[in-house]
Amino acid sequence: TQTVSQSDAHVTVFEGDSVELRCNYSYGGSIYLSWYIQHHGRGLQFLLKYYSGNPVVQGVNGFEAEFSKSDSSFHLRKASVHWSDSAVYFCAVSLNSGGSNYKLTFGKGTLLTVTP
Amino acid sequence: GALVYQYPRRTICKSGTSMRMECQAVGFQATSVAWYRQSPQKTFELIALSTVNSAIKYEQNFTQEKFPISHPNLSFSSMTVLNAYLEDRGLYLCGARQGFTQYFGPGTRLLVL
Repeated sequence: TQTVSQSDAHVTVFEGDSVELRCNYSYGGSIYLSWYIQHHGRGLQFLLKYYSGNPVVQGVNGFEAEFSKSDSSFHLRKASVHWSDSAVYFCAVSLNSGGSNYKLTFGKGTLLTVTP
Repeated sequence: GALVYQYPRRTICKSGTSMRMECQAVGFQATSVAWYRQSPQKTFELIALSTVNSAIKYEQNFTQEKFPISHPNLSFSSMTVLNAYLEDRGLYLCGARQGFTQYFGPGTRLLVL
């Protein structure tokens, strides 16, 4: 069973600051890693994903994430945040077993608050 | 781009009644559709995974008798919550898969009185 840990429940930064949201997972097999953003009262918006290749992946709105097999991590970063980036961010893991086995396991989420 | 619509966005039903929600993938053909429920505490539960022309696979604690799903084609799925009670409240999210990515709709928020 894979698990996803987001160690920070709440992160507060100033507009223009850089930010890193942490995600660690536990699973030894072949997996997909994703990040989603959820604005208040809204659904999940896909940000980016990693499966293989370059461990640094680029997403929408200036977000990027770096996969580290040794650390079992997939941290999300942004160089300069905007107030509109305030939202809950979810890291998700799914197995790469093909077929219909595509269950996403989500972390508990990190609430990012960007203050002016 | 890949868009997923859900209808209704919000619904209120009386305890013991049922309500149906719909999910539409626009701009792509979804190879599978997953229905999740997000609790008021923000945690996610997978209800079922549906692939066209295959049996719908329900997760533990969720049954077809309680959450019947229809998935007639690659762009549309619907799910009904039968005999809804307080514990069924939450945000019901539809995730439509394209390749290795699951795109979600805005969700249907269910309130039960």
